Amino acid sequence: QVQLQESGPGLVKPSQTLSLTCTVSGGSISSGSYYWSWIRQPAGKGLEWIGRIYTSGSTNYNPSLKSRVTISVDTSKNQFSLKLSSVTAADTAVYYCARSSLVTAIWAFDYWGQGTLVTVSS
Amino acid sequence: DIQMTQSPSSLSASVGDRVTITCRASQSISSYLNWYQQKPGKAPKLLIYAASSLQSGVPSRFSGSGSGTDFTLTISSLQPEDFATYYCQQSYSTLRDFGQGTKLEIK
Repeated sequence: QVQLQESGPGLVKPSQTLSLTCTVSGGSISSGSYYWSWIRQPAGKGLEWIGRIYTSGSTNYNPSLKSRVTISVDTSKNQFSLKLSSVTAADTAVYYCARSSLVTAIWAFDYWGQGTLVTVSS
Repeated sequence: DIQMTQSPSSLSASVGDRVTITCRASQSISSYLNWYQQKPGKAPKLLIYAASSLQSGVPSRFSGSGSGTDFTLTISSLQPEDFATYYCQQSYSTLRDFGQGTKLEIK
C-alpha cells in the first residue's frame, strides 16, 4: 500500500521560501508511470493544484504560481519536494502531496498525504 | 485554463435521500473528469474517475455520468458517512483544475 507523508516547517516568515518534502513509502517513486503533485487548500476554501513532477523528472506548474515554484525529486530517498519562494499570507494553507496514476486512460489523484498546515506569518 | 463550476455550493439533505451534484467545464473535456470526497481535516479521496468509473472500494450508491462539459455525481441513498465536501477535477489539460466544491450537510 502506497503512503505519502508531508514534512516541513509549519511556520514561514513573509518573503521567505516555503520548503516541504513528501516521503513515499510502499513503492518506488521512480518506478512505474506516475505524476507526483503538490496541492494546497486555504482554510475553508477549495483545492488548488500547484504543480507536478513526472517519474522521468519533467515538471509542470500552475501558471499562477510558476514564477515562484520549484518541484524536485530525490529518488535515493524516495522523496519529492516543493519550494515556494517569496511567500505572503495568501500562501497560508494545508499543503498536500499526491500521486496521480493513469486509471483507464485518465489521470487521477489516487493517493494523498494527510496534509500539513503551513502558516505564513512574522 | 479550464474553469470548473459546481452547483450547488452547498446542499442540505437527509439520510436516505437521493442527491445529485453538478459540475460544468468551461470547454469540452470529453470524459476526463474525476470526483473526490473530502471530510473535515482529511485529504480528499478519489470516488469516480473518467466521469463514470467507480474507484475500487467505493460503495455502489455513488455514480457519475456525463461527458463534454456537463457532469453529475449522484448518491442514490445518503448514508451518515456521506456528509462531506465533494470536488470535481478535470484531467483534460495539464493544469489540473478543481471545482470550488459542494458541501453536503445533514438536514
